Amino acid sequence: GENVEQHPSTLSVQEGDSAVIKCTYSDSASNYFPWYKQELGKRPQLIIDIRSNVGEKKDQRIAVTLNKTAKHFSLHITETQPEDSAVYFCAASTGNNDMRFGAGTRLTVKP
Amino acid sequence: DVKVTQSSRYLVKRTGEKVFLECVQDMDHENMFWYRQDPGLGLRLIYFSYDVKMKEKGDIPEGYSVSREKKERFSLILESASTNQTSMYLCASSRDRVEKLFFGSGTQLSVL
Repeated sequence: GENVEQHPSTLSVQEGDSAVIKCTYSDSASNYFPWYKQELGKRPQLIIDIRSNVGEKKDQRIAVTLNKTAKHFSLHITETQPEDSAVYFCAASTGNNDMRFGAGTRLTVKP
Repeated sequence: DVKVTQSSRYLVKRTGEKVFLECVQDMDHENMFWYRQDPGLGLRLIYFSYDVKMKEKGDIPEGYSVSREKKERFSLILESASTNQTSMYLCASSRDRVEKLFFGSGTQLSVL
């Protein structure tokens, strides 16, 4: 089955800096790659996703890139703000109800 | 707005008890999921269901069972709770198989 690895497990940045979180996946049939944000004590919520026919997607300060050949994808957050502090999860799916998550990255943005 | 509701936010049970975790969604979603969340391990899939009375095993189904008698309700059952099942349990639903998941608020289960 699919295996998703996520790095780093913790990340601390200064407000205004950029943050990058990387994930690799094992199943070459995976074609959907979402990112979820979980604030302390709250439920995970989708922030951005990308499908395998697209190499990059942006939404304001966040972007996701996908390298199908290398089987890795990354989340980029620019101009970080304290409210970006949360745990971020990447995931991969082949589309058969087999969504698998990475272990999570705890991002801390210092004011 | 999609609402996924889990019946309990915190639950304390004793070893050997049978435990029921309930999840209800109000958006007529076909697919429902149970994950458990543990620090450093992320979200691990226990079971999922893509239709009423249908269920599929995820990665860690041992010690768990599920029930989906109605489309909106998906129950997770711990047949005989053990201390290693102490965890945060998250229910989720989705409309399509490759579609975003909507999560419930979670149930923090402690088995003593």
